[in-house]
Parts: sequence; structure tokens; C-alpha cells
Amino acid sequence: DTEVTQTPKHLVMGMTNKKSLKCEQHMGHRAMYWYKQKAKKPPELMFVYSYEKLSINESVPSRFSPECPNSSLLNLHLHALQPEDSALYLCASSPWGDSNQPQHFGDGTRLSIL
Amino acid sequence: AQSVTQLDSQVPVFEEAPVELRCNYSSSVSVYLFWYVQYPNQGLQLLLKYLSGSTLVKGINGFEAEFNKSQTSFHLRKPSVHISDTAEYFCAVSERTGANNLFFGTGTRLTVIP
Repeated sequence: DTEVTQTPKHLVMGMTNKKSLKCEQHMGHRAMYWYKQKAKKPPELMFVYSYEKLSINESVPSRFSPECPNSSLLNLHLHALQPEDSALYLCASSPWGDSNQPQHFGDGTRLSIL
Repeated sequence: AQSVTQLDSQVPVFEEAPVELRCNYSSSVSVYLFWYVQYPNQGLQLLLKYLSGSTLVKGINGFEAEFNKSQTSFHLRKPSVHISDTAEYFCAVSERTGANNLFFGTGTRLTVIP
């Protein structure tokens, strides 16, 4: 069983919809991450939160808006997405933001944009 | 800047045979090295990591990897594979002095044939 829980597992939305992806961990980790993974490709980092503050934004379009309400929760708000945004969105966490710490991944939300 | 090369996109191997998945990296700074496995419809799971010390590291599920600094390689090996090892395997690096920004290779699909 994964210790990082992502909901929903699947999401289908139109280009004009607004939806949110949710990620939760109860391991006491203080760094959390969003990745985007296209089919048959490696994950690509989107955002990093460290101690509930956004520390890395990898030039992600503004139609993706992250939020970290507390140390256990990470949201990704979606608005006006494009068909090319269809992908698996993975959340991960680590004890804090040091680069020697493995990241723990959730099972992802598979997003389809109509 | 760093790059990770996994030359073999697909590796078929018979059950109980040995396997080696190759990973080479390039970086202008020192890095930490990781191998992750992704089973179908799941997130990524850490197999093993090299931080420092002994260049031979052992991980979960009988996997091991050897860090070779002169060849900038971190190949993954298992002496006898099982059907359950069928999955996608990603090699990843993070900069020692940077944030926990994982950079993944393109992945190797391991298929174990009964």
C-alpha cells in the first residue's frame, strides 16, 4: 500500500472545466512534489513545496495552480487545460528537501482532457 | 545540467535468467543516484540508491547496482528474475548540492518471459 494517497485516480474533464487533484501523506514529510508523466515517458517535475512554501516552479503554465494548505496536503488546481495536458499526474513526498532523500510516490491521477 | 541515458528501451529476458539494465549519467557536479520501478498503473517505488561509501548497493526484491565513477555508470542487476519483475525501470540523479530535484532517464521496460 502506498503511503502517499492521490485522489481521484481518474479524471476526465473538458477544456473549460475547473477541477482539483489532491495528494495526502501522513509520514510527517515536509517536502512535496508534483510530476507530470506522459505515456511511455519519464516523470517531469512541475512543482516543489518545502515547509508549505513553493520552492520550485519548473516553468509550468498558469493553468496549473498548486496549493499546499498544510504539511500533509498538496493540491493541484486545473483550469482551461489543453488536450496535450492529458497525462498521469504523480505526487511525491520526502522528509525534507535535501537531494539525498528518496521520494515516496503516490499511484497518480490519470487525467484526460476532452 | 545533468542528463541520464538508459540505452535499452526494452529488455526481454526469460524467467530465472540474470538481467542488467544500463544507466549512464552526465553531470557538471556530483550527484546522488537512484533506481525506481514503476509497475503498471502505479506510481514509482524506490529500488535502491547510491549516496556514498561502497560502490555496490543492494536494494529491494533482490536487485543491486554498482556505481562506477570513471565510467559514470550505475547499472542495475538481478541474478534471477521473476515474472513479477515485469515493469518499467527508471534511473534518476539529483545534484548533491541542490534541491531534491530528481532528473529521470527515459526508462527501460523489462519483460520477463515465462
